[in-house]
Amino acid sequence: NAGVTQTPKFRILKIGQSMTLQCTQDMNHNYMYWYRQDPGMGLKLIYYSVGAGITDKGEVPNGYNVSRSTTEDFPLRLELAAPSQTSVYFCASSPSANYGYTFGSGTRLTVV
Amino acid sequence: KQEVTQIPAALSVPEGENLVLNCSFTDSAIYNLQWFRQDPGKGLTSLLLIQSSQREQTSGRLNASLDKSSGRSTLYIAASQPGDSATYLCAVRHQGGSEKLVFGKGTKLTVNP
Repeated sequence: NAGVTQTPKFRILKIGQSMTLQCTQDMNHNYMYWYRQDPGMGLKLIYYSVGAGITDKGEVPNGYNVSRSTTEDFPLRLELAAPSQTSVYFCASSPSANYGYTFGSGTRLTVV
Repeated sequence: KQEVTQIPAALSVPEGENLVLNCSFTDSAIYNLQWFRQDPGKGLTSLLLIQSSQREQTSGRLNASLDKSSGRSTLYIAASQPGDSATYLCAVRHQGGSEKLVFGKGTKLTVNP
């Protein structure tokens, strides 16, 4: 059981480039979340999904997009990367509100 | 708006000491509360999950309590070891809408040999 898998683990982007952060879970969880973690700032919610075909914005959605075409996958798209998007990105999933989260190992992104 | 606060921000203790990490939250409308551990440069490892109807959960040397009415939780670590050195994050699962986890900023624990 792989849990929540994130790829890539590390990436360096140039300003203005685009990329997709991949997140896959094999636990048949309905809820999936994308957070970013900046030093001293805690984790902030970017986007979330409560099931396939349903997505919604979190606290800091600007500059990002998501899709949820299957239960397993919840990719995060960065368009026109900016230095402010340098961060560590975590994907998480949960079967329902009464359960805890399972986190992926994170993607460390640097925009230069 | 749900806000989670963790005190202290950093804590340094000698090996073998028992210690308590504190977490407070402003809105009692939660499903549960989860404590995580994060090692430098690593992801989040779930330590304990307490449902809103529960008072405490235990796992090995860890004990977490929850007082929902007062908006407080504590994580008790018994007989601390250098391997316990990490950042400990508290998060509440907020009711309504996204049912998201709202995180505190963490307590960085250092256990000195």
